[in-house]
Amino acid sequence: DTEVTQTPKHLVMGMTNKKSLKCEQHMGHRAMYWYKQKAKKPPELMFVYSYEKLSINESVPSRFSPECPNSSLLNLHLHALQPEDSALYLCASSQESSGSGTQYFGPGTRLTVL
Amino acid sequence: SQQGEEDPQALSIQEGENATMNCSYKTSINNLQWYRQNSGRGLVHLILIRSNEREKHSGRLRVTLDTSKKSSSLLITASRAADTASYFCATDNNAGGTSYGKLTFGQGTILTVHP
Repeated sequence: DTEVTQTPKHLVMGMTNKKSLKCEQHMGHRAMYWYKQKAKKPPELMFVYSYEKLSINESVPSRFSPECPNSSLLNLHLHALQPEDSALYLCASSQESSGSGTQYFGPGTRLTVL
Repeated sequence: SQQGEEDPQALSIQEGENATMNCSYKTSINNLQWYRQNSGRGLVHLILIRSNEREKHSGRLRVTLDTSKKSSSLLITASRAADTASYFCATDNNAGGTSYGKLTFGQGTILTVHP
């Protein structure tokens, strides 16, 4: 299985809502990533988890809260978002210790904040 | 400016023609990767070239890397309408020796291949 899955595919939420994005992989990868991508822009790294521990937080606002319950799952909890947070949120995973850096991406969650 | 700048920003060609995209970067790297993204979808890894490699092939793809000029090019030969997508280069400058690759993406090239 070489697939990264993300749910939901689309999400519309108000600024006072709390929602979560989910990501799953069964490739045995030990590094998982969240990216944010605005239209016609490249993906921007938000968080990196390595061996289920948060390794990188790219100065992301606290209204985004990542969680890695186990080595296969990655969540992104959303609270009190702003309209400018509307974007495509991509999850990715990569092998540990391979040094290759190749990342496998999910299809993304299209988030709209009203 | 951002690590990984690409040109052209947009490229429009006919089926059967070759497409060349270029990427420049600023810092030393471990490897450089190319990804494809169809409209509004996830990224698909195409090819990885390590810093000690100069050229790599994969099917209709050819990637070159010139570390002295800090640049790379992606050539797609005999293009097809299905190649229409955005193409991103991404650099891995994993100087910290961590077990994961922190990628920095270029701005991307939008390729349109007309049937």
